[in-house]
Amino acid sequence: AQSVSQHNHHVILSEAASLELGCNYSYGGTVNLFWYVQYPGQHLQLLLKYFSGDPLVKGIKGFEAEFIKSKFSFNLRKPSVQWSDTAEYFCAVNAGGYQKVTFGTGTKLQVIP
Amino acid sequence: GAGVSQSPSNKVTEKGKDVELRCDPISGHTALYWYRQSLGQGLEFLIYFQGNSAPDKSGLPSDRFSAERTGGSVSTLTIQRTQQEDSAVYLCASSLGPQGANTIYFGEGSWLTVV
Repeated sequence: AQSVSQHNHHVILSEAASLELGCNYSYGGTVNLFWYVQYPGQHLQLLLKYFSGDPLVKGIKGFEAEFIKSKFSFNLRKPSVQWSDTAEYFCAVNAGGYQKVTFGTGTKLQVIP
Repeated sequence: GAGVSQSPSNKVTEKGKDVELRCDPISGHTALYWYRQSLGQGLEFLIYFQGNSAPDKSGLPSDRFSAERTGGSVSTLTIQRTQQEDSAVYLCASSLGPQGANTIYFGEGSWLTVV
């Protein structure tokens, strides 16, 4: 069965610091990978996704993620965070076809001005 | 509608009562999900509907939980004999499906408090 691990539960950064949030999945076949974000008081929304092609995916607000198949990883990065990036970030995986999307437990990011 | 609509947005119920939560997905979306979000627990998968296929119920925590989807559109999640540990935000989501890379769109959620 597919599963997702997010190792960082709570991350605190100062503005302009670089960000990398870890995400590892377990599934041996073809996967689709997602990062979702939940800003305070808002509903979950898509940040970026990967399903084929270039393993470096760029999303909204300057975020990017790299799919490394050999490491079963899809880490989220941003070179310089802003206070407005304070949110909870969820990694998700789908094994394709008719399979459900499985989410990780989330990482709360707090950016200090 | 323009987005996934859920009702009620907030529900306070007494322990032991049954509750029904409703989800109206985006028009044309064949895939519908229910998740539960509890403090510190992340997003817990409950059930997944895809078109006319048998639903994936593997995430339902007990037989007190059930869900149906009528006419391939609106879905109702029912919790019988509610317990305090059922208190959470229940999120509904839909996607074009079945292609898994389709974006999942979430509703605002139904906040359930069992007292």
